[in-house]
Amino acid sequence: ETGVTQSPTHLIKTRGQQVTLRCSSQSGHNTVSWYQQALGQGPQFIFQYYREEENGRGNFPPRFSGLQFPNYSSELNVNALELDDSALYLCASSLDLTVFYGYTFGSGTRLTVV
Amino acid sequence: AQRVTQPEKLLSVFKGAPVELKCNYSYSGSPELFWYVQYSRQRLQLLLRHISRESIKGFTADLNKGETSFHLKKPFAQEEDSAMYYCALKRGAQKLVFGQGTRLTINP
Repeated sequence: ETGVTQSPTHLIKTRGQQVTLRCSSQSGHNTVSWYQQALGQGPQFIFQYYREEENGRGNFPPRFSGLQFPNYSSELNVNALELDDSALYLCASSLDLTVFYGYTFGSGTRLTVV
Repeated sequence: AQRVTQPEKLLSVFKGAPVELKCNYSYSGSPELFWYVQYSRQRLQLLLRHISRESIKGFTADLNKGETSFHLKKPFAQEEDSAMYYCALKRGAQKLVFGQGTRLTINP
């Protein structure tokens, strides 16, 4: 059984650029959520995907978008990067939308926007 | 609005002393609360859920609806308990609202 894996681990981008972050869910998990964790803060919910459809979104602008693939892996895309987008982005998977025992988190991707 | 407050950003106790990490929440419905822990250079991991009323690594947490609290407690701290602790409230279908976290340091 594998856990949640995220890539890349670190990334530096320039303001205005676009970025794609990737996540492989834990084996057997079909629900994936993305969180943004700014320095010194707790994780903040961005959105969640279930069976390739968005299933809930936090207070993030439309330039944050995502995808979930048939194998339940996922991507987070951010367009028109801003300096405030610099943060740790966490992917979290869970067994199923109908059952929640808690998330399994990845190690995160640290994004720096300069 | 649903909110989780962890009033202490830093908490330092001596090994063998009791530990209590505070968590208060605001939620109008029936809350479902969690504690997550992040050890140094490790990923965020679930410590315990109030629904299961379990004790993990000697930690317990009791939901007090009157005081809207879910404090995490351990009677005798160990050095390996040093970590970042986050309290989280489940809102809707699997969305978690996290507190800002408390960094716990256990002094030898």
